[in-house]
Amino acid sequence: KNEVEQSPQNLTAQEGEFITINCSYSVGISALHWLQQHPGGGIVSLFMLSSGKKKHGRLIATINIREKHSSLHITASHPRDSAVYICALHSGTYKYIFGTGTRLKVLA
Amino acid sequence: KAGVTQTPRYLIKTRGQQVTLSCSPISGHRSVSWYQQTPGQGLQFLFEYFSETQRNKGNFPGRFSGRQFSNSRSEMNVSTLELGDSALYLCASSLGAGGETQYFGPGTRLLVL
Repeated sequence: KNEVEQSPQNLTAQEGEFITINCSYSVGISALHWLQQHPGGGIVSLFMLSSGKKKHGRLIATINIREKHSSLHITASHPRDSAVYICALHSGTYKYIFGTGTRLKVLA
Repeated sequence: KAGVTQTPRYLIKTRGQQVTLSCSPISGHRSVSWYQQTPGQGLQFLFEYFSETQRNKGNFPGRFSGRQFSNSRSEMNVSTLELGDSALYLCASSLGAGGETQYFGPGTRLLVL
């Protein structure tokens, strides 16, 4: 079993829809990151979570440490949100483990 | 503040050669991490440096090595290149180590022929 699982792998949404991407993991972590990667390769760190919930604009990220689960929500989705979203764990042994990513396409 | 820079951006090498990639972190950042990204394996952690010390290493063969200089700039080296080393190599910097928010460079795209 992989240490981190993301779902769904692919997601197509209409502009304005509410989107949820999930990340489940099986190892102890010190932090969980949500990353966004646009075509061309550039990666932007969206959130770093160790507990609770964070919000930035239309993006909301939550983490439940006890259930080893995190979600990334996008409200009022827009075509510019089209990207690959990657969940990354920072384990206690200073090691980064990445999910396989969720490819999101938002149609106008 | 300038972002993370990586040089070169593109590189073509042949099997058996070696390559050195460079990463300049954001000014003031002391931690640099390196990652390999391929279509088949996705993103994988190579190593992390903090204040010139390697803090951890991913599951890569010894052909992959790195170092960090006193000005926090970092280099990674791959010796005896194999076709499977073709990938996007990304570095990221952060203020400290231990899971802090990372800022990614644009990557170096390496093609091994």
